[in-house]
Amino acid sequence: EIVMTQSPATLSVSPGERASLSCRASQSVGSKLAWYQQKPGQAPRLLIYGASTRATGIPARFTGSGSGTEFTLTISSLQSEDFALYYCQQSNNWPWTFGQGTKVEIK
Amino acid sequence: QVQLVESGGGLVKPGGSLRLSCAASGFTSTGSYMSWVRQAPGKGLDLIAYIGISSDNAIYHADSVKGRFTISRDNAKNSLNLQMNSLRAEDTAIYYCTRARSGTFDYWGQGTLVTVSS
Repeated sequence: EIVMTQSPATLSVSPGERASLSCRASQSVGSKLAWYQQKPGQAPRLLIYGASTRATGIPARFTGSGSGTEFTLTISSLQSEDFALYYCQQSNNWPWTFGQGTKVEIK
Repeated sequence: QVQLVESGGGLVKPGGSLRLSCAASGFTSTGSYMSWVRQAPGKGLDLIAYIGISSDNAIYHADSVKGRFTISRDNAKNSLNLQMNSLRAEDTAIYYCTRARSGTFDYWGQGTLVTVSS
């Protein structure tokens, strides 16, 4: 099973600042990497798939990058609605696995 | 638009059974890969069951639920089911129905809470 490790566990950022979230795979997953956002009491929402393609309706301030084992989700200028939990997920190998999440909180 | 609505969650005693359902609308679930993802309280996301389209008969259950849970479709109702038997305290979680497209979970239901407790 591929282990997905996200860092940091918590990221404290001021509104308007840039946030960079990291996701590392225990072996190569190519570009089979997705990012999800989850707010309290809500289901996760797909942000990025194929490592760098934004899902429908996702603002351009969300950017995914990386391939192989190292991936980054960058939020260019944090808005109030962006403070949430973020998960990465690989689909290159069965079983598909998620990272443990990064919480982006208001500094 | 695409909607997934789960039902069937609740409180059950250890060793008991529950059947979760997920009603799909806005697309034909029989032509889509579907899955159940769960989230224990305060924890992350785990894929526990997955079913392919009718032409490939792909079915997957995570080791943690294999032999106890069964994913299935109800084609007539355009819905997805999860039969859960021999429930344990560690199965307590929110269960999400999702559509999977090219390995990505692109649509999620609102979730249904399953609590296993005596």
